[in-house]
Amino acid sequence: DAGVIQSPRHEVTEMGQEVTLRCKPISGHNSLFWYRQTMMRGLELLIYFNNNVPIDDSGMPEDRFSAKMPNASFSTLKIQPSEPRDSAVYFCASSYTSGGQETQYFGPGTRLLVL
Amino acid sequence: ILNVEQSPQSLHVQEGDSTNFTCSFPSSNFYALHWYRWETAKSPEALFVMTLNGDEKKKGRISATLNTKEGYSYLYIKGSQPEDSATYLCAFGPNSGYALNFGKGTSLLVTP
Repeated sequence: DAGVIQSPRHEVTEMGQEVTLRCKPISGHNSLFWYRQTMMRGLELLIYFNNNVPIDDSGMPEDRFSAKMPNASFSTLKIQPSEPRDSAVYFCASSYTSGGQETQYFGPGTRLLVL
Repeated sequence: ILNVEQSPQSLHVQEGDSTNFTCSFPSSNFYALHWYRWETAKSPEALFVMTLNGDEKKKGRISATLNTKEGYSYLYIKGSQPEDSATYLCAFGPNSGYALNFGKGTSLLVTP
């Protein structure tokens, strides 16, 4: 299995631009999680989906952030407009969840720099 | 947000030393406690999942214990090696919902 795939691996953009991060979970997994890693706050959960349905988006910083999961094999996290404080590493993780908190498998992350 | 605390924040040991660090979590509504290993410039990788009070798990030189009644878990590394250098994250899974609550991690540096 290829594991969780994220693209792009690195993104440099200017303030105000739209940024779209992509994630392909492990085949057969039914839960998908978006995290943000910063020095100040560590690993923060932004949003998670179960069976393609958003379950909890309370971690999404503000309306500039949105996430979608149109099917079981693809999810996007969009920031519009981007700001310098959005600079961080964004991780996607997936798991097979049968009602409990199963092991999550992380992608390699997208390193975002907003100038 | 459920409070998961890890200590120490960072640790520097010599090769061959044994070390341990702590994860504390809410003792109510417990379902599972996870440990992850996170090397610099890589993504977190699962080490252990523990669900029962008194659980002990072992993988090579690394082991973990769990006390759900008092809300803590210990991770032990016996005979640390430079390749053990990483951040060790614990994550608490409550018995409702699907999300894990991660601590900020213990950063371990093992020097030759």
